[in-house]
Amino acid sequence: SYVLTQPPSVSVAPGQTARITCGGNNIGSKSVHWYQQKPGQAPVLVVYDDSDRPSGIPERFSGSNSGNTATLTISRVEAGDEADYYCQVWDSSSDHEVFGGGTKLTVL
Amino acid sequence: EVQLVESGGGLVQPGGSLRLSCAASGFTVSSNYMSWVRQAPGKGLEWVSVIYSGGSTYYADSVKGRFTISRHNSKNTLYLQMNSLRAEDTAVYYCARALTTVVKGGSYYFDYWGQGTLVTVSS
Repeated sequence: SYVLTQPPSVSVAPGQTARITCGGNNIGSKSVHWYQQKPGQAPVLVVYDDSDRPSGIPERFSGSNSGNTATLTISRVEAGDEADYYCQVWDSSSDHEVFGGGTKLTVL
Repeated sequence: EVQLVESGGGLVQPGGSLRLSCAASGFTVSSNYMSWVRQAPGKGLEWVSVIYSGGSTYYADSVKGRFTISRHNSKNTLYLQMNSLRAEDTAVYYCARALTTVVKGGSYYFDYWGQGTLVTVSS
C-alpha cells in the first residue's frame, strides 16, 4: 500500500514561513490535498490538486509537488495557523485514500 | 449551505454492532462521492470507506468485511454499518463529501466534513 511520510512537528515564529513536507514514492505523479485540523474540530481543506486553494482560504497557504515530495507552505505565519496538517492522495492501485501521519505546526 | 451531521456513535462492547448516520443538506448525497474517515484518540486521520455516485463501494483493509457503507437517497443520508467491532475501532468518525478531480489521472478530496461522532468499543 502507498505510504505518505510527514514530519511529526514543525515550529516557526510568527511572520515567518512554515514548510510542511509530505513524502511518497513518485508523489509528483499524484494529486496531493492538504487539510488543517485544530483541536476538537473537523479537518478543513486548505489546498487541493497540489496547489489550488478553496474559496475562503488565505493566499498565505500554497502548495507544490514534485518528485518524491509535496510541500505545504504557509507564509507570514499567524498564531491562528497553529494546528495539525495532513496530506492526502488517492492510491489508484487500490482505490483507497491515503493520509499522511500529520504534522503539528507550533507557532513560537 | 452544505451541512453534514453525524449521529449514532456511543459505547459498544467488543464484538458488537453500531450504525452511524450522516444527514446531508445543501446537496444531493446520491450525486456525489461520500466517505467515512476516522480518527482514533490522539492519532491521525484514517480513511475508512467511500461510496461512489454510481454505487461502487471501497473499504480500508482494516474494516473490510466488517463495515458496510450505504446511502438512503430519499432521506439524503449516508450510513456506516459497523459489525464485529474491536477496541481498535474506537475513534471519532467523520463523514465527508468527496469531490472528484481529473488532474493527474484522477483523484478525489474532501471539501465538506461533519462534526464527527465518537465510537467507543470497550467492555
